[in-house]
Amino acid sequence: GAGVSQSPSNKVTEKGKDVELRCDPISGHTALYWYRQSLGQGLEFLIYFQGNSAPDKSGLPSDRFSAERTGGSVSTLTIQRTQQEDSAVYLCASSLAHRGTSGNTIYFGEGSWLTVV
Amino acid sequence: SQKIEQNSEALNIQEGKTATLTCNYTNYSPAYLQWYRQDPGRGPVFLLLIRENEKEKRKERLKVTFDTTLKQSLFHITASQPADSATYLCAHNAGNMLTFGGGTRLMVKP
Repeated sequence: GAGVSQSPSNKVTEKGKDVELRCDPISGHTALYWYRQSLGQGLEFLIYFQGNSAPDKSGLPSDRFSAERTGGSVSTLTIQRTQQEDSAVYLCASSLAHRGTSGNTIYFGEGSWLTVV
Repeated sequence: SQKIEQNSEALNIQEGKTATLTCNYTNYSPAYLQWYRQDPGRGPVFLLLIRENEKEKRKERLKVTFDTTLKQSLFHITASQPADSATYLCAHNAGNMLTFGGGTRLMVKP
């Protein structure tokens, strides 16, 4: 597509429920990133994919968080047994290749706003 | 540990003036730094990238400098306009990921 697409744009869920957030990257982009941004805070790296593999899962805050990517395209971030502290904007981004030292620009979606009540 | 820091206090300036935002890094030497703009409720948008061997990079009213001695990047907006009001984020490569500073909010008053 023309840009990174995320869904849902807004999600309100009850504490303890599972949620799935979807990211559709720019066509042809092999690298995909998930970040989290709490209100008024900076971006917190969660995970990145190169193709379908996730070499770096170090940013996932707990084992309740998982992510997958299929077909080198769409990615899903799943949060199990949501807690109130999970409330944040979850931002997905993609780039042509993993940046390493190449400095490829990454393009962000508009985010999925998650509120856990 | 590697750190990238921005002034968390909002910067308020008058329209027409030059806005200067600062990004400092410690304990490492990034190969490049990037600057992004983020409007409320939106995802960040890439503005400029500057590499360690570049002193300065310009794009229209934007200018970025990279001082490896001071371990600092400065982001300038000349002839600022109210539409420039947003949060500006710097980012650097840290291992496998792009790590962002906390951002500085810029308010340009008419």
